[in-house]
Amino acid sequence: DAGVIQSPRHEVTEMGQEVTLRCKPISGHNSLFWYRQTMMRGLELLIYFNNNVPIDDSGMPEDRFSAKMPNASFSTLKIQPSEPRDSAVYFCASVVNTIYFGEGSWLTVV
Amino acid sequence: GENVEQHPSTLSVQEGDSAVIKCTYSDSASNYFPWYKQELGKRPQLIIDIRSNVGEKKDQRIAVTLNKTAKHFSLHITETQPEDSAVYFCAANLKGGKLIFGQGTELSVKP
Repeated sequence: DAGVIQSPRHEVTEMGQEVTLRCKPISGHNSLFWYRQTMMRGLELLIYFNNNVPIDDSGMPEDRFSAKMPNASFSTLKIQPSEPRDSAVYFCASVVNTIYFGEGSWLTVV
Repeated sequence: GENVEQHPSTLSVQEGDSAVIKCTYSDSASNYFPWYKQELGKRPQLIIDIRSNVGEKKDQRIAVTLNKTAKHFSLHITETQPEDSAVYFCAANLKGGKLIFGQGTELSVKP
């Protein structure tokens, strides 16, 4: 099993550009989480899905952030427009009994 | 609101000593408490977890204790080694399945 797969691993983009982060959960896992990690805020839960349905998006910082899960094997987190304060590591994680993290997407907005 | 408090934020021990990290949670309905280890530049990885039907769980040098009445749980690492140096996160589940993390403890084990 390849685990949770995220792309891109690293991205540097200019302020105002659209950023799309992608995630492929572990096959058979029916829940998917998006977390953001920064030094100041630690690991913040942005949104999570059960069976492809968004259950709680209260952690999404503002309307510039959106997430979708069109099917059981794919999810995206989009930031439009991006700002320097969005610079962070974004982790996708999938769940069955416990939570397994992907390698993370390291985003830098300049 | 719903949160998990973790202490201390940094911890430095000598190799061979024990390390203890403590967490408290606010949601009395929480029943699952995992611990993660994160090395620099890597993803958090599960090291041990405990469910509310037990008070203690041990795996080699690592143990976790849970006090549901007081709503706190702790990670104990015995005979620490330099490779135990990392950031450790506790977490608790909330109603609906979301998992909330503590702020992390940076453990440094000095040889």
